[in-house]
Amino acid sequence: DGGITQSPKYLFRKEGQNVTLSCEQNLNHDAMYWYRQDPGQGLRLIYYSQIVNDFQKGDIAEGYSVSREKKESFPLTVTSAQKNPTAFYLCASSMLTDTGELFFGEGSRLTVL
Amino acid sequence: GQNIDQPTEMTATEGAIVQINCTYQTSGFNGLFWYQQHAGEAPTFLSYNVLDGLEEKGRFSSFLSRSKGYSYLLLKELQMKDSASYLCAVKDSNYQLIWGAGTKLIIKP
Repeated sequence: DGGITQSPKYLFRKEGQNVTLSCEQNLNHDAMYWYRQDPGQGLRLIYYSQIVNDFQKGDIAEGYSVSREKKESFPLTVTSAQKNPTAFYLCASSMLTDTGELFFGEGSRLTVL
Repeated sequence: GQNIDQPTEMTATEGAIVQINCTYQTSGFNGLFWYQQHAGEAPTFLSYNVLDGLEEKGRFSSFLSRSKGYSYLLLKELQMKDSASYLCAVKDSNYQLIWGAGTKLIIKP
């Protein structure tokens, strides 16, 4: 079955630690995205990538880093520089068309202890 | 700035009809999306509108008026499983998605 897989689903981190969230898709989509979702707010774009070895900052990139070494994979690292990292993180992918709907992974809930 | 407004929460009765409104102010317009998100889960695509008018898909319909910066999602014959948040999102002139905060729909028996 084609889809997009995120892991881990739940993650706990101590302050000062970096953590990496995995995102893999087998939909052959060119574009991949990372969003952060907080209660009462819309999804906020962290980073996105439209092609291998290239990515762009979104609205809230500070304290995060990404890589796109393979078309299928777009991991997100939450660094210790991110001041308020506790959130629900969503990875998505899409075709590069005007009507390209987003397909989302199941999400990763990060809690900083 | 860019802004998407939706009601925070709505309540409806099983079997009834509910309309969830979305108004937007964005720099340019290249389409409007509706997604459904159950608690703790990922959003799933419901509909896409780029031209004015009504798009019908089973029990769900979505309407767009570009001149008014307005859309609504209409859900008919409500079922308990329709209890979820409904997210409105607009693609701006740069083809970036701007998201509303979502409307939490509560269905009562």
